Amino acid sequence: EAGVTQFPSHSVIEKGQTVTLRCDPISGHDNLYWYRRVMGKEIKFLLHFVKESKQDESGMPNNRFLAERTGGTYSTLKVQPAELEDSGVYFCASSQEYSYNEQFFGPGTRLTVL
Amino acid sequence: QQQVKQSPQSLIVQKGGISIINCAYENTAFDYFPWYQQFPGKGPALLIAIRPDVSEKKEGRFTISFNKSAKQFSLHIMDSQPGDSATYFCAARVLNTGTASKLTFGTGTRLQVTL
Repeated sequence: EAGVTQFPSHSVIEKGQTVTLRCDPISGHDNLYWYRRVMGKEIKFLLHFVKESKQDESGMPNNRFLAERTGGTYSTLKVQPAELEDSGVYFCASSQEYSYNEQFFGPGTRLTVL
Repeated sequence: QQQVKQSPQSLIVQKGGISIINCAYENTAFDYFPWYQQFPGKGPALLIAIRPDVSEKKEGRFTISFNKSAKQFSLHIMDSQPGDSATYFCAARVLNTGTASKLTFGTGTRLQVTL
């Protein structure tokens, strides 16, 4: 069974540009999470989808970040316009329905904003 | 405010030695405490987890010790091997909501096991 996949693996953009990250969860996983790790710090929660609905977006830093999950399958996270402090590794995770189900993480997208 | 504090930031252990990583949490609503292992270029992967109704859980060379009153938990890696070299994250989660919920992570510990 394929794991969580993320695209691209790396992205280098200039301040003010737009970047879109994509996450494909494990097939059948209704729950999809986005997390971010800024260098040397903790992995921080951004938001949580249940199917196509945003269950919890309390971790989204500001309105420059837009997450979507159309059709309840893959998800995109758009940063527009990107700022220097947005640099970090963005992880996506997915899990089955219930709270006790394990979250499976993708390999992450390393975003560098110059 | 960081809800889960992890130490040390980095750790060097000789092969065969014991690696110990410590975490402390603030939120008493947390009721699930997993440890994740991350290798370079990969995402974090669940290693071992504990619920607060037990004080210790062991899986092979990996043991979690949990102290509810002190709000602390730790990972012990016995007989550490070079293949254990990775970044380890402690985490916490509120599990009893019935619905899936977010993980709150520590800052990570980079473990290097030398020959």
